[in-house]
Amino acid sequence: AQKVTQAQTEISVVEKEDVTLDCVYETRDTTYYLFWYKQPPSGELVFLIRRNSFDEQNEISGRYSWNFQKSTSSFNFTITASQVVDSAVYFCAFDSTLMNTGFQKLVFGTGTRLLVSP
Amino acid sequence: DAMVIQNPRYQVTQFGKPVTLSCSQTLNHNVMYWYQQKSSQAPKLLFHYYDKDFNNEADTPDNFQSRRPNTSFCFLDIRSPGLGDAAMYLCATSREGTANNEQFFGPGTRLTVL
Repeated sequence: AQKVTQAQTEISVVEKEDVTLDCVYETRDTTYYLFWYKQPPSGELVFLIRRNSFDEQNEISGRYSWNFQKSTSSFNFTITASQVVDSAVYFCAFDSTLMNTGFQKLVFGTGTRLLVSP
Repeated sequence: DAMVIQNPRYQVTQFGKPVTLSCSQTLNHNVMYWYQQKSSQAPKLLFHYYDKDFNNEADTPDNFQSRRPNTSFCFLDIRSPGLGDAAMYLCATSREGTANNEQFFGPGTRLTVL
């Protein structure tokens, strides 16, 4: 069965620090997708990125960057020059396509709470 | 601009009193999902619809039911809420429900059971 581990329960940083959120996954599938979602205090899960298993290129989007390494089954997320507005819970998720329906089922990690103080 | 709308945002019910949570979408997506998220935990899929086809997760309690009368709306019915059902309930949609489709989430309904 697929599993996603986010070992960091909570991280506290001061504004402008860089911070990396770790995500490790387990699967026997050869084709899969990985996701990161942000959940601010308002509760809504906000999609950040989707990465498929064939694309190991790192991605950068503004202050956000993602490092996908199949060899270590990791998909880490770095925020550069963190800001107070980055305070949220961040979830890493794995796409597990349901065998009986063929539909996507997101398997979430337990999340990392990021607190950025001024 | 709201794409996935959940009402109400906060719901208080009494132990054993049926409650219905509502979700609507303006995206015209085929797939709608209901997740339960307990405090400090990951969201857990309860069930999903592809159009009118209902798919229940094996470990979803019978106490939880769902209805999708049309493409835009989906309801979560909790027939006899227990204290353990207090949680955030998240609705999500996906265009086709396949791996290359992201899921769009609503803001959630926080359910309190007294």
